[in-house]
Amino acid sequence: DAGITQSPRHKVTETGTPVTLRCHQTENHRYMYWYRQDPGHGLRLIHYSYGVKDTDKGEVSDGYSVSRSKTEDFLLTLESATSSQTSVYFCASGTPNYGYTFGSGTRLTVV
Amino acid sequence: QKEVEQNSGPLSVPEGAIASLNCTYSDRGSQSFFWYRQYSGKSPELIMFIYSNGDKEDGRFTAQLNKASQYVSLLIRDSQPSDSATYLCAVNSGGNDMRFGAGTRLTVKP
Repeated sequence: DAGITQSPRHKVTETGTPVTLRCHQTENHRYMYWYRQDPGHGLRLIHYSYGVKDTDKGEVSDGYSVSRSKTEDFLLTLESATSSQTSVYFCASGTPNYGYTFGSGTRLTVV
Repeated sequence: QKEVEQNSGPLSVPEGAIASLNCTYSDRGSQSFFWYRQYSGKSPELIMFIYSNGDKEDGRFTAQLNKASQYVSLLIRDSQPSDSATYLCAVNSGGNDMRFGAGTRLTVKP
């Protein structure tokens, strides 16, 4: 299927455990992004990638790392999950000039 | 800090009316402007973008941009209950720095 998919859709994890969220796109977009969405804050950029193995930090990158080994895949890792990282995470691809396509999101709860 | 501000709403309009959604931004160097629609529990969906001052129309949607006032708006004509959603304004200041507003929740009442 074309587009952008995320996995898992929902996850509950314990404080202090590592968590990896996956994003897969079939649009051959060079740019990919990870955002988190929290009430009252809108979408905030965590990390982005501008090519294979090329990544950079966003506005709220502390506690997160990313990797991109293939054009189509972009992984977000929470090294040691905290309750403040409970959020909805969206992956997106596209360019800032023409807008983004978003995945369906991952609802992460850290207990 | 580059800010994008939106009234959180909720904005309630009757079916068939014009809904007007507003957004202001702080960075005068901003170059491109976007409106996304997000239904409850779903992901944002791009509905319009605008680069130049003035109006841009697409079906029932019109985006309006005034760079001097640092203001962008979205008009929805003949509003339908299916337009009930949260509308996100996004602003690109160049590079990979696209900033999103927190969104305005629109309710269209039959």
